[in-house]
Amino acid sequence: QLHLLESGPGLVKPSETLSLTCTVSGGSIGGTNYHWAWIRQSPGKGLEWIGSIYYTGSPYYGPSLASRLAMSVDTSKNQFSLRLTSVTAADTAVYYCARLSLRHRGHYEATFDIWGQGTVVSVSS
Amino acid sequence: QSVLTQPPSASGTPGQRVAISCSGSSFNIGRNYVSWYQHLPRTAPKLLIYRSDQRASGVPDRFSGSKSGTSASLAISGLRSEDEADYYCAAWDDSLDVVLFGGGTRLTVL
Repeated sequence: QLHLLESGPGLVKPSETLSLTCTVSGGSIGGTNYHWAWIRQSPGKGLEWIGSIYYTGSPYYGPSLASRLAMSVDTSKNQFSLRLTSVTAADTAVYYCARLSLRHRGHYEATFDIWGQGTVVSVSS
Repeated sequence: QSVLTQPPSASGTPGQRVAISCSGSSFNIGRNYVSWYQHLPRTAPKLLIYRSDQRASGVPDRFSGSKSGTSASLAISGLRSEDEADYYCAAWDDSLDVVLFGGGTRLTVL
């Protein structure tokens, strides 16, 4: 059974770069029709899709963070990663990684079917 | 403010049926499939419904999804205390090229 696990620092200083990694176990990250996604939930708020990446490295970024965001995939380690630059307190959130089924057969199907447990990131000096 | 609009709260008593709505536009719900997620505090969100009306594996048939025009709905029948959670809808938006989530609905079982 596929399992996703987020890792990274729990505390990041303002203006610094947040780096998170999602390790996929129980299956391969490559050679499938799935995308690999990051979603976050800020305190007291709902879920926000940050972006997604295909195993070939082709990313989709949400517009609100696109200018500060970079996602990458390492198929040799079965991992994908997120880098968010110039963080502020507004980036404090629980960050989840998830597998995304993104298919277009006349209509888009976007389904996050497997999620990690989430990792808490606080931005504070 | 989310582009997909959900009521912030819903409630029901055990055994009742409740429905949670998700309103969007012709660019998202109007032309694409909707998925629904259950989120309990400090846990990973769980997929309930995909392709607007298909139950995910292991999801009880008490949960059902539907879509009409630019709105979708998640219905929960035979309400149980363990159904108390936050529920989110999601859909791809063709105009923004993004996945949108609704703002979430907190379901309380009275």
